[in-house]
Amino acid sequence: DAGVIQSPRHEVTEMGQEVTLRCKPISGHDYLFWYRQTMMRGLELLIYFNNNVPIDDSGMPEDRFSAKMPNASFSTLKIQPSEPRDSAVYFCASSEGLAESTDTQYFGPGTRLTVL
Amino acid sequence: AQSVTQPDIHITVSEGASLELRCNYSYGATPYLFWYVQSPGQGLQLLLKYFSGDTLVQGIKGFEAEFKRSQSSFNLRKPSVHWSDAAEYFCAVGDTGGFKTIFGAGTRLFVKA
Repeated sequence: DAGVIQSPRHEVTEMGQEVTLRCKPISGHDYLFWYRQTMMRGLELLIYFNNNVPIDDSGMPEDRFSAKMPNASFSTLKIQPSEPRDSAVYFCASSEGLAESTDTQYFGPGTRLTVL
Repeated sequence: AQSVTQPDIHITVSEGASLELRCNYSYGATPYLFWYVQSPGQGLQLLLKYFSGDTLVQGIKGFEAEFKRSQSSFNLRKPSVHWSDAAEYFCAVGDTGGFKTIFGAGTRLFVKA
């Protein structure tokens, strides 16, 4: 398997623009997670899905952020409008969902977002 | 609620020296504990995990960790560090009854020649 795939790897945009980050989880994994990593706040869980259904979006910072998972092999994280404070590395991860509390998460390489 | 604390923001060791990265957890019952590593420009990768049984857990890349309930600790060790071990290391705990993983703040390891 190719692992978790994220695109683009780098994104530079201007404040106010819409940004869409994409993720393809490992085939057969039932859980998908979106994280944001910054120097100041570390690794933050934004939202996660089980079988394409959002389970917990309490980490989504505000209404400008939205995430969807239209099918088992694709998810998007959208920021509209983007702001400079959204600059960060965004990771997607997936897990099999075999057993509570013990699942290993497999991370993608991340998307480095810079909002000017 | 569960949490993990990594007291050291960064650590520097010489190549060939031994390494110990500290992790303390807060949890009432038996925790499910993980160590992940993040190399520069990459996502996190699992090094090892502990669920039950033998308190000394072996992982990839020559790492091991020891679960000590009396100290609420799960420290990561390696007997001889290589320059390629320079990375950020995250201790984590599995969410009770769920599938989230709760990550610590991370410890950045620097290796000097």
